Order: sequence, then structure tokens, then C-alpha cells
Amino acid sequence: SQQGEEDPQALSIQEGENATMNCSYKTSINNLQWYRQNSGRGLVHLILIRSNEREKHSGRLRVTLDTSKKSSSLLITASRAADTASYFCATDTKFYFGSGTKLNVKP
Amino acid sequence: AAGVIQSPRHLIKEKRETATLKCYPIPRHDTVYWYQQGPGQDPQFLISFYEKMQSDKGSIPDRFSAQQFSDYHSELNMSSLELGDSALYFCASHRVGSYEQYFGPGTRLTVT
Repeated sequence: SQQGEEDPQALSIQEGENATMNCSYKTSINNLQWYRQNSGRGLVHLILIRSNEREKHSGRLRVTLDTSKKSSSLLITASRAADTASYFCATDTKFYFGSGTKLNVKP
Repeated sequence: AAGVIQSPRHLIKEKRETATLKCYPIPRHDTVYWYQQGPGQDPQFLISFYEKMQSDKGSIPDRFSAQQFSDYHSELNMSSLELGDSALYFCASHRVGSYEQYFGPGTRLTVT
């Protein structure tokens, strides 16, 4: 499968710090997307990066993609308590999700 | 802006009963995906439809079936429910040519 695998599985930081989450996948992709999920709630699309892009920014989010290493990273800068959620990466339109990184931002 | 609508939001069923979950995609979205997310688990792709035809199949049990109707809404039918079917069921839609999926709020199914 084209599953993405997130790393770390859990991350606890203080408000204001940066949070970096990584994702690895197994096969060739056309694009990779990051989603956020608050506990027991729906998935919210955060950002999409195409296979020919290396870096993309959206507000406090920065995503990188290294297709040679089949990996992506999501950086959240100046984190807020409201960023506390699980973050998933998903590859291509089949949207096979990885196991997610649970981010806890302490106020 | 209109979002993906799922109904019901919560459903409680007993073992061996049947359940039908409904999904109404965003207007002009022609593709619907269904996902199952067990407690503490990542979302698992079940099945997808494009223009009312099944386009891809994931880990959907044989006890489940789904279809997409002429108005693009989709229904997931689940029979002979088991305790392990208790999960959050998400529907997502997107328009072909756009890579972004938009997820509904989910239906929480509890099987007792």
C-alpha cells in the first residue's frame, strides 16, 4: 500500500515552540497531503504538496517533501494550545493514512 | 460554504443488526470516499465512488456494501454488525482534477 507513516507518534511541547512531524511513504506519489484531526472529530485538510515541489508554506505551516527519501515533514511554528490534535499524512487520491502524530501543546 | 454532510451523526445498534450511513458530498463533487476509524486508530480507506461507479476498494468487509446515487450522495450499508464495527465512519468528497478531499464530520457507530 502507499501508506504514510508518521514520526514521532506523540509529541509534547510548550506553547510558542515549533513542532516538527515526519512522514514516510513507500511508493511513488503524485502528491502528499497533511490533515489535522481533533479528538473524535473530522479530518481537516491542512496543506498539499505535489511531487515536483520541495517546500510549501501556509501561514504557520511549512511542509517539505523529499521524493528521493520518500519522506515529508510538517513544521508548525510558534505553536498554540489550539494546535493540539493528531496530524496525519496521506498520499495520493487513494488517501491511505499513516498512524498519525499526536501533538500536545501545553499552555 | 457547503460542506460534506453525514447522517446520522451518532448511531447505536446491537450485534447482528444492520445500519445505513449516508453521505452528501459538496455540490459539484463527483467522488466520494468512505473511511473507518476505530478508537485510537488511523483512518482506513473502505471504498470510493466516481460518477456513481465504484472506483476503488480498500479494506471493506464483505458484510458492508455501498453505492453512490444519481444525486451523488452515497450510502454505506452494514449488515450483521459486530462489536468490532464500532468506529467513526468518515465520508469525504472531492472533484476530479482537484486533489483535496473534504471530510464530513463523521458518523459514530456504536455496536453493543
